[in-house]
Amino acid sequence: NAGVTQTPKFRILKIGQSMTLQCTQDMNHNYMYWYRQDPGMGLKLIYYSVGAGITDKGEVPNGYNVSRSTTEDFPLRLELAAPSQTSVYFCASSGQGGEKLFFGSGTQLSVL
Amino acid sequence: AQSVTQLDSQVPVFEEAPVELRCNYSSSVSVYLFWYVQYPNQGLQLLLKYLSGSTLVKGINGFEAEFNKSQTSFHLRKPSVHISDTAEYFCAVIDLTSGTYKYIFGTGTRLKVLA
Repeated sequence: NAGVTQTPKFRILKIGQSMTLQCTQDMNHNYMYWYRQDPGMGLKLIYYSVGAGITDKGEVPNGYNVSRSTTEDFPLRLELAAPSQTSVYFCASSGQGGEKLFFGSGTQLSVL
Repeated sequence: AQSVTQLDSQVPVFEEAPVELRCNYSSSVSVYLFWYVQYPNQGLQLLLKYLSGSTLVKGINGFEAEFNKSQTSFHLRKPSVHISDTAEYFCAVIDLTSGTYKYIFGTGTRLKVLA
């Protein structure tokens, strides 16, 4: 099994550009999450989803949007990229609430 | 809102010495607690979890943690560390009273094992 797959691995954006970070899981998990990781700040929850068609905000949702049209996919959209969005982004999934998270390998994003 | 505090940002320790990484969470009636480890340039991996039952939880690689409800703590311990334990460790909590399953992570503790 591939597990949780994130693309791209690296990306450089100019201020004001937009992009979509892709996340796909092949474990039929209901729960999916997007986190950003900044040095010394740990992981901050951006958005999460408990199933197809259901999404909700996390701790730091501003500047981001998500959709969950299928169980497998949970893309994260950045509109009008800003330097403050420079970070490492992780997608994660779990089968049921409280089960362990399976993480993707991360996307390193720089906004210049 | 639920929060997690890891007071130690870095912990240096000599090889074969014991280590304790501290984690405290804000008060809640019912929580799930986790420790994850992140090796360089990788995603996070589960070390251990507390859902219910025995307050002493054993995980992989010789780590264990103790749930202390009165002190709202979930400290991670290992009696003898190895060089390969050098990594960043994250404590995480799910607040069951919120009705969601949002994982909230602490800021992490970087464990550096010295030869």
